[in-house]
Order: sequence, then structure tokens, then C-alpha cells
Amino acid sequence: SQQGEEDPQALSIQEGENATMNCSYKTSINNLQWYRQNSGRGLVHLILIRSNEREKHSGRLRVTLDTSKKSSSLLITASRAADTASYFCATTEGYSTLTFGKGTMLLVSP
Amino acid sequence: ETGVTQSPTHLIKTRGQQVTLRCSSQSGHNTVSWYQQALGQGPQFIFQYYREEENGRGNFPPRFSGLQFPNYSSELNVNALELDDSALYLCASSANTVNTEAFFGQGTRLTVV
Repeated sequence: SQQGEEDPQALSIQEGENATMNCSYKTSINNLQWYRQNSGRGLVHLILIRSNEREKHSGRLRVTLDTSKKSSSLLITASRAADTASYFCATTEGYSTLTFGKGTMLLVSP
Repeated sequence: ETGVTQSPTHLIKTRGQQVTLRCSSQSGHNTVSWYQQALGQGPQFIFQYYREEENGRGNFPPRFSGLQFPNYSSELNVNALELDDSALYLCASSANTVNTEAFFGQGTRLTVV
């Protein structure tokens, strides 16, 4: 079963614009991670935020976590065509087993 | 490159057959997890191996089985293949500690006809 639900399911923007994706989950977690997937291939880890953290940055990525609302958001600033991919949030309750959402498909047009 | 390699990259099997997928974990990682990703869906957890023992299992039938070897590489075996087993199978390696990221291989695309 899916733990997280990403919103929106699909997002289309122009290069240079910001992209925001949201994720909601159901149970208490140790951490929440965001992954990127190009064209149905392997997943690339983007960022991990722990349950006691509220915000984290990595380059053009900004992730927030609100454990009271059981939600997270991923912001990609100044998007590029190369950011076109599917983005997944995944939660961890134990050590390293990940429970994924269904993903957001991001299309960045030149 | 994550250092996690999977083989083969693509595979076509007939319903009822058996298949073995392979994964080599990243150096220093003792935990391997397998995920099934159907088209348009997020990955679903199949099972995890830690130091050659099964360390957790998702909602998959017993015909999905696995092994982990002393070098921490792993196999996923699926018996009596069904059409719905067609999916991308992903292997992830990690250290068995809290708050650690998982590194994924490129996956094996299995098609059952």
C-alpha cells in the first residue's frame, strides 16, 4: 500500500520558474526522503529530512516537513529542462524500509 | 552512479516460468531491499535482507523469495510468473542505521507474456 500521496500528479512549467510538489503521509515517521526518477529508470536520492527537522536545503532544492500535518513539500527553484522527471516522496518508520507515494511528474519546457 | 548494479536490465518471460534477478550492493552497505514498481505507480517494498537474513517483508506472496550472499549482493526469485508481475524491479542498498539514504540500481524491466 502507498503511504504517501504526492500532489499534484503532474506539473508543467517553463524553465526558470519554481516547481512545488507536496506529499502527505499517514503514520509517524523517522524521516522523509525525496527521490527523482528519469524515464522509469533507477531512483536518485535528492534529500532526507528527519522527523525533528522542519526545513532543509540542498542546492536549488528546499524541503519542508510538518509532522503535525503529516505533510512535506519539495521546492525546486529556477527549474531547468533537465529537471524533467518523476519525483517521489518516501517515508521511513524503521531503519531503511521506504514507503513511497505515487509520484509527481514534472515537465519543464525550454 | 550509485555503485549499485542490477542484471539483467530487461527480461521477457512466459507466464508460469521462474525468474532470478541480481543486485550488487554498494561497497560498505550490508542491507539490500527490493522494490516492485508497476507502470505509473510508486515503488512497492517486497523485502529486505540484512547480513544474509530476511529483515522485513511487504505484502507479496511466498513465490517472491530472495537471498543475500556473504558479499552482500542479492537475488530476487519469482516463481510461477503471472502477467501482473510485469514491472520494474529495483534494488536498493543501504547501511542498516536509522536516517540513512538508500542507493538504487537502474532496475530490471520484467515483462511477462
